[in-house]
Amino acid sequence: DGGITQSPKYLFRKEGQNVTLSCEQNLNHDAMYWYRQDPGQGLRLIYYSQIVNDFQKGDIAEGYSVSREKKESFPLTVTSAQKNPTAFYLCASSIRVEQPQHFGDGTRLSIL
Amino acid sequence: GQQLNQSPQSMFIQEGEDVSMNCTSSSIFNTWLWYKQDPGEGPVLLIALYKAGELTSNGRLTAQFGITRKDSFLNISASIPSDVGIYFCAGVYYGGSQGNLIFGKGTKLSVKP
Repeated sequence: DGGITQSPKYLFRKEGQNVTLSCEQNLNHDAMYWYRQDPGQGLRLIYYSQIVNDFQKGDIAEGYSVSREKKESFPLTVTSAQKNPTAFYLCASSIRVEQPQHFGDGTRLSIL
Repeated sequence: GQQLNQSPQSMFIQEGEDVSMNCTSSSIFNTWLWYKQDPGEGPVLLIALYKAGELTSNGRLTAQFGITRKDSFLNISASIPSDVGIYFCAGVYYGGSQGNLIFGKGTKLSVKP
């Protein structure tokens, strides 16, 4: 089945620790995205990538980093510089930017 | 920056009722999308609209791309319990620098007690 796989489903971070969220897609999409969702809020864009080896900051990139070494993969690292990391993180992909995005099932990150 | 105003923020439904929600903006969009999100899951694309004035149905769901390209609405007819969830509109614009997609804050559908 084609789709977007995010792992893990739940993740806990200790103070001062970096954690990496995985996102893999087998849809052959060029563009991939990371969003953050807080309770009762819409989706806020963290980073996006139009093509392999390229990525751009979104509205709330501070404290996060990404890489795009393979077309299928777009991991997100939540660094210790992100002081309020507790949120639901969603990965998405689209054939290219400007086309409808399709989402994974999310990773919920909490602070220990 | 571009913003979408989605309303209502929340509503209660009774089984069998029709439901309407809409998104408006001061900016023009090239595509309108409607998503549904169930608790603890990612949003699922329901309907995509590509042309001003376009009216598209997906089962009991009907959505329209406003003539001015600044708004869109979603109707759900004869609602059923599994319709509960959060519905998001999203507007796609070309040539932007922020991933080209703007989301509304969502309309939460709950069952009337």
